[in-house]
Amino acid sequence: ETGVTQTPRHLVMGMTNKKSLKCEQHLGHNAMYWYKQSAKKPLELMFVYSLEERVENNSVPSRFSPECPNSSHLFLHLHTLQPEDSALYLCASSQESRGEKLFFGSGTQLSVL
Amino acid sequence: AQTVTQSQPEMSVQEAETVTLSCTYDTSESDYYLFWYKQPPSRQMILVIRQEAYKQQNATENRFSVNFQKAAKSFSLKISDSQLGDAAMYFCAYKGGGSQGNLIFGKGTKLSVKP
Repeated sequence: ETGVTQTPRHLVMGMTNKKSLKCEQHLGHNAMYWYKQSAKKPLELMFVYSLEERVENNSVPSRFSPECPNSSHLFLHLHTLQPEDSALYLCASSQESRGEKLFFGSGTQLSVL
Repeated sequence: AQTVTQSQPEMSVQEAETVTLSCTYDTSESDYYLFWYKQPPSRQMILVIRQEAYKQQNATENRFSVNFQKAAKSFSLKISDSQLGDAAMYFCAYKGGGSQGNLIFGKGTKLSVKP
Protein backbone atom coordinates (compact mmCIF):
# COMPACT_ATOMS: atom_id res chain seq x y z
CA GLU A 1 0.00 0.00 0.00
CA THR A 2 1.78 3.14 -1.16
CA GLY A 3 -0.83 5.85 -0.60
CA VAL A 4 1.66 8.18 1.09
CA THR A 5 4.45 9.59 -1.07
CA GLN A 6 7.48 11.44 0.25
CA THR A 7 10.08 13.42 -1.69
CA PRO A 8 12.97 13.58 -1.88
CA ARG A 9 14.06 10.12 -0.85
CA HIS A 10 17.50 11.34 0.14
CA LEU A 11 18.73 14.82 1.02
CA VAL A 12 22.16 16.13 1.90
CA MET A 13 22.37 19.70 3.09
CA GLY A 14 24.75 22.06 4.76
CA MET A 15 23.97 23.79 7.99
CA THR A 16 23.24 27.09 6.27
CA ASN A 17 20.92 25.68 3.62
CA LYS A 18 17.15 25.90 3.42
CA LYS A 19 15.27 22.91 2.08
CA SER A 20 11.79 21.41 2.25
CA LEU A 21 10.47 17.89 2.59
CA LYS A 22 7.22 17.07 0.87
CA CYS A 23 4.54 14.54 1.71
CA GLU A 24 1.39 13.74 -0.25
CA GLN A 25 -1.36 11.30 0.65
CA HIS A 26 -3.93 9.89 -1.75
CA LEU A 27 -6.04 8.09 0.84
CA GLY A 28 -8.58 10.78 1.70
CA HIS A 29 -7.35 10.99 5.27
CA ASN A 30 -7.89 14.01 7.48
CA ALA A 31 -4.80 13.83 9.69
CA MET A 32 -1.10 13.97 8.80
CA TYR A 33 2.03 13.51 10.87
CA TRP A 34 5.77 14.09 10.83
CA TYR A 35 7.97 11.61 12.71
CA LYS A 36 11.73 11.62 13.20
CA GLN A 37 13.53 8.27 13.25
CA SER A 38 17.07 8.26 14.61
CA ALA A 39 19.29 5.25 15.09
CA LYS A 40 18.66 3.32 18.31
CA LYS A 41 15.86 5.65 19.42
CA PRO A 42 12.09 5.26 19.26
CA LEU A 43 10.26 7.17 16.58
CA GLU A 44 9.65 10.70 17.78
CA LEU A 45 6.43 12.46 16.90
CA MET A 46 7.19 15.97 15.69
CA PHE A 47 3.95 17.48 14.39
CA VAL A 48 0.33 16.50 13.91
CA TYR A 49 -2.16 18.19 11.63
CA SER A 50 -5.85 17.42 11.88
CA LEU A 51 -8.17 18.95 9.31
CA GLU A 52 -5.25 21.18 8.30
CA GLU A 53 -4.89 22.62 11.79
CA ARG A 54 -1.76 21.90 13.78
CA VAL A 55 -2.82 20.04 16.91
CA GLU A 56 0.52 18.97 18.28
CA ASN A 57 4.03 20.34 18.33
CA ASN A 58 6.27 18.21 20.48
CA SER A 59 8.80 20.84 21.53
CA VAL A 60 10.43 20.74 18.14
CA PRO A 61 13.11 23.39 17.50
CA SER A 62 12.01 26.30 15.37
CA ARG A 63 14.50 25.35 12.66
CA PHE A 64 11.80 22.84 11.67
CA SER A 65 8.70 24.53 10.30
CA PRO A 66 5.70 22.49 9.13
CA GLU A 67 3.10 23.56 6.63
CA CYS A 68 -0.18 21.87 5.71
CA PRO A 69 -1.83 23.77 2.84
CA ASN A 70 -4.60 21.18 2.40
CA SER A 71 -5.58 17.77 3.68
CA SER A 72 -3.48 15.96 1.07
CA HIS A 73 -0.17 17.77 1.41
CA LEU A 74 2.30 18.29 4.21
CA PHE A 75 5.65 20.03 4.13
CA LEU A 76 8.53 20.28 6.53
CA HIS A 77 10.68 23.35 5.93
CA LEU A 78 14.23 23.09 7.17
CA HIS A 79 16.72 25.88 7.86
CA THR A 80 20.00 26.19 9.72
CA LEU A 81 19.94 22.55 10.77
CA GLN A 82 22.51 20.87 12.98
CA PRO A 83 24.37 17.60 12.31
CA GLU A 84 22.30 15.92 15.06
CA ASP A 85 19.22 16.55 12.94
CA SER A 86 20.44 13.90 10.51
CA ALA A 87 17.78 11.18 10.56
CA LEU A 88 15.00 9.53 8.62
CA TYR A 89 11.93 11.76 8.49
CA LEU A 90 8.70 9.85 8.08
CA CYS A 91 5.34 11.23 7.07
CA ALA A 92 2.12 9.43 7.93
CA SER A 93 -1.59 9.94 7.51
CA SER A 94 -4.73 8.55 9.09
CA GLN A 95 -8.44 8.97 9.22
CA GLU A 96 -8.72 10.52 12.62
CA SER A 97 -10.85 8.38 14.85
CA ARG A 98 -10.39 6.00 17.71
CA GLY A 99 -7.71 3.42 17.13
CA GLU A 100 -7.23 4.15 13.45
CA LYS A 101 -3.94 2.95 12.04
CA LEU A 102 -1.36 5.19 10.44
CA PHE A 103 -0.18 4.81 6.87
CA PHE A 104 3.45 5.76 6.38
CA GLY A 105 5.55 6.98 3.50
CA SER A 106 9.04 5.66 2.78
CA GLY A 107 10.70 8.64 4.40
CA THR A 108 13.39 11.14 3.54
CA GLN A 109 16.89 10.21 4.70
CA LEU A 110 18.42 13.53 5.72
CA SER A 111 22.12 14.13 6.22
CA VAL A 112 23.29 17.47 7.59
CA LEU A 113 26.94 18.24 6.98
CA ALA B 1 3.18 9.08 30.50
CA GLN B 2 2.84 5.98 28.42
CA THR B 3 5.94 4.03 27.48
CA VAL B 4 6.62 1.07 25.21
CA THR B 5 9.56 -1.27 25.79
CA GLN B 6 11.01 -3.79 23.39
CA SER B 7 13.72 -5.65 25.24
CA GLN B 8 15.15 -7.56 22.26
CA PRO B 9 17.23 -5.33 19.97
CA GLU B 10 17.86 -8.25 17.61
CA MET B 11 16.34 -11.66 16.99
CA SER B 12 17.07 -14.42 14.54
CA VAL B 13 14.90 -17.27 13.27
CA GLN B 14 15.34 -20.12 10.85
CA GLU B 15 13.13 -20.09 7.79
CA ALA B 16 9.85 -21.95 8.41
CA GLU B 17 10.30 -21.76 12.18
CA THR B 18 8.35 -19.69 14.70
CA VAL B 19 9.64 -16.63 16.52
CA THR B 20 8.15 -14.42 19.23
CA LEU B 21 8.97 -10.76 19.66
CA SER B 22 8.38 -9.19 23.07
CA CYS B 23 6.76 -5.90 23.95
CA THR B 24 5.66 -4.43 27.26
CA TYR B 25 4.00 -1.12 27.86
CA ASP B 26 3.03 1.10 30.72
CA THR B 27 -0.21 3.04 30.93
CA SER B 28 -2.85 4.08 33.41
CA GLU B 29 -5.56 4.13 30.74
CA SER B 30 -8.06 1.32 30.37
CA ASP B 31 -9.01 2.11 26.78
CA TYR B 32 -6.22 1.91 24.23
CA TYR B 33 -4.91 0.20 21.11
CA LEU B 34 -1.74 -1.71 20.42
CA PHE B 35 0.00 -2.23 17.10
CA TRP B 36 2.89 -4.04 15.54
CA TYR B 37 4.51 -2.33 12.59
CA LYS B 38 7.10 -3.78 10.24
CA GLN B 39 9.80 -1.67 8.60
CA PRO B 40 11.66 -3.49 5.81
CA PRO B 41 14.76 -2.05 4.09
CA SER B 42 12.43 -0.05 1.86
CA ARG B 43 11.84 2.03 5.03
CA GLN B 44 8.06 2.17 4.73
CA MET B 45 6.36 1.23 7.98
CA ILE B 46 3.63 -1.32 7.35
CA LEU B 47 0.96 -2.32 9.85
CA VAL B 48 1.22 -6.00 10.75
CA ILE B 49 -1.48 -6.37 13.37
CA ARG B 50 -3.73 -4.33 15.63
CA GLN B 51 -5.30 -5.14 19.02
CA GLU B 52 -8.06 -3.32 20.85
CA ALA B 53 -7.50 -3.43 24.59
CA TYR B 54 -11.15 -4.05 25.37
CA LYS B 55 -11.10 -7.27 23.34
CA GLN B 56 -9.88 -10.32 25.19
CA GLN B 57 -9.43 -12.34 22.03
CA ASN B 58 -5.93 -12.19 20.58
CA ALA B 59 -5.70 -10.65 17.12
CA THR B 60 -4.54 -12.84 14.24
CA GLU B 61 -3.50 -12.00 10.69
CA ASN B 62 -2.48 -15.07 8.70
CA ARG B 63 0.95 -16.13 10.05
CA PHE B 64 1.03 -13.30 12.58
CA SER B 65 -0.65 -13.47 15.96
CA VAL B 66 -0.33 -11.70 19.26
CA ASN B 67 -0.38 -12.78 22.88
CA PHE B 68 -2.10 -9.88 24.64
CA GLN B 69 -1.86 -10.02 28.41
CA LYS B 70 -3.65 -6.91 29.65
CA ALA B 71 -2.96 -7.36 33.34
CA ALA B 72 0.73 -7.92 32.67
CA LYS B 73 0.79 -5.13 30.06
CA SER B 74 2.42 -7.44 27.61
CA PHE B 75 1.85 -7.60 23.85
CA SER B 76 4.10 -10.12 22.09
CA LEU B 77 4.07 -10.91 18.37
CA LYS B 78 4.36 -14.47 17.12
CA ILE B 79 5.42 -15.10 13.54
CA SER B 80 4.76 -18.65 12.37
CA ASP B 81 6.35 -20.35 9.36
CA SER B 82 8.88 -17.51 9.05
CA GLN B 83 9.76 -16.42 5.54
CA LEU B 84 12.76 -14.55 4.17
CA GLY B 85 10.50 -11.58 3.49
CA ASP B 86 9.75 -11.29 7.19
CA ALA B 87 13.25 -9.94 7.80
CA ALA B 88 12.77 -6.35 8.98
CA MET B 89 12.61 -4.04 11.97
CA TYR B 90 9.49 -4.63 14.04
CA PHE B 91 8.05 -1.86 16.16
CA CYS B 92 5.48 -2.19 18.90
CA ALA B 93 3.26 0.87 19.33
CA TYR B 94 0.62 2.14 21.73
CA LYS B 95 -2.24 4.55 21.11
CA GLY B 96 -4.58 5.96 23.73
CA GLY B 97 -8.30 5.63 23.29
CA GLY B 98 -9.03 9.25 22.37
CA SER B 99 -9.35 10.17 18.72
CA GLN B 100 -6.29 12.39 18.96
CA GLY B 101 -4.13 9.94 20.87
CA ASN B 102 -0.80 9.63 19.09
CA LEU B 103 1.25 6.52 18.48
CA ILE B 104 4.04 5.85 20.96
CA PHE B 105 6.67 3.49 19.61
CA GLY B 106 9.19 1.15 21.13
CA LYS B 107 12.81 1.12 19.94
CA GLY B 108 12.25 -1.82 17.67
CA THR B 109 13.54 -5.37 17.21
CA LYS B 110 15.60 -6.29 14.17
CA LEU B 111 14.53 -9.71 12.92
CA SER B 112 16.82 -11.77 10.71
CA VAL B 113 15.57 -14.86 8.90
CA LYS B 114 18.13 -17.54 8.04
CA PRO B 115 17.57 -19.72 4.96
